Amino acid sequence: EPEVTQTPSHQVTQMGQEVILRCVPISNHLYFYWYRQILGQKVEFLVSFYNNEISEKSEIFDDQFSVERPDGSNFTLKIRSTKLEDSAMYFCASRGDSNTEAFFGQGTRLTVV
Amino acid sequence: KNEVEQSPQNLTAQEGEFITINCSYSVGISALHWLQQHPGGGIVSLFMLSSGKKKHGRLIATINIQEKHSSLHITASHPRDSAVYICLLSYGNKLVFGAGTILRVKS
Repeated sequence: EPEVTQTPSHQVTQMGQEVILRCVPISNHLYFYWYRQILGQKVEFLVSFYNNEISEKSEIFDDQFSVERPDGSNFTLKIRSTKLEDSAMYFCASRGDSNTEAFFGQGTRLTVV
Repeated sequence: KNEVEQSPQNLTAQEGEFITINCSYSVGISALHWLQQHPGGGIVSLFMLSSGKKKHGRLIATINIQEKHSSLHITASHPRDSAVYICLLSYGNKLVFGAGTILRVKS
């Protein structure tokens, strides 16, 4: 069965450092998403990506964040100058088109210390 | 106002009980997903619905598009069903998460 893979599964970083979270969506999918979930809270939308550009982003997704699809297979989320409050589980999702099932990665747990 | 509301927020059941989790929404959707999230954090898609009813094992999901409401039912609940169940709306390019229902099934 096709799956979305995320790496690493867990990352610990020092406050102020940059991190890159990686996602490999399902190969023929066109729509990509990043979400985050702070421990004990609901899942929050960060950004959606289609046709090699951001289609929508939330208020959370400020200049500290960026996304990229560098090579046609990976979909990355970069967080610059990490803060303690960036500690969360980050989920990637992909789907073939806007009417098909979404598939989720297992998440990357980011801990900023 | 939230586009999607789930109820209840928390649910504790005895093993064997029939469980219902509800999702109401306020926007026109193309589909609705029910997701399961276990304590480890990973999200699994259980169903995607655009009309009617789907069944998989002990899980049944229904949707009423006119009433903008969906339910997830678990028959003969088991402790391994303990998880967070999340309603996810799909409309336009958007995927919008509900707050989730924390289910605990006691043996």
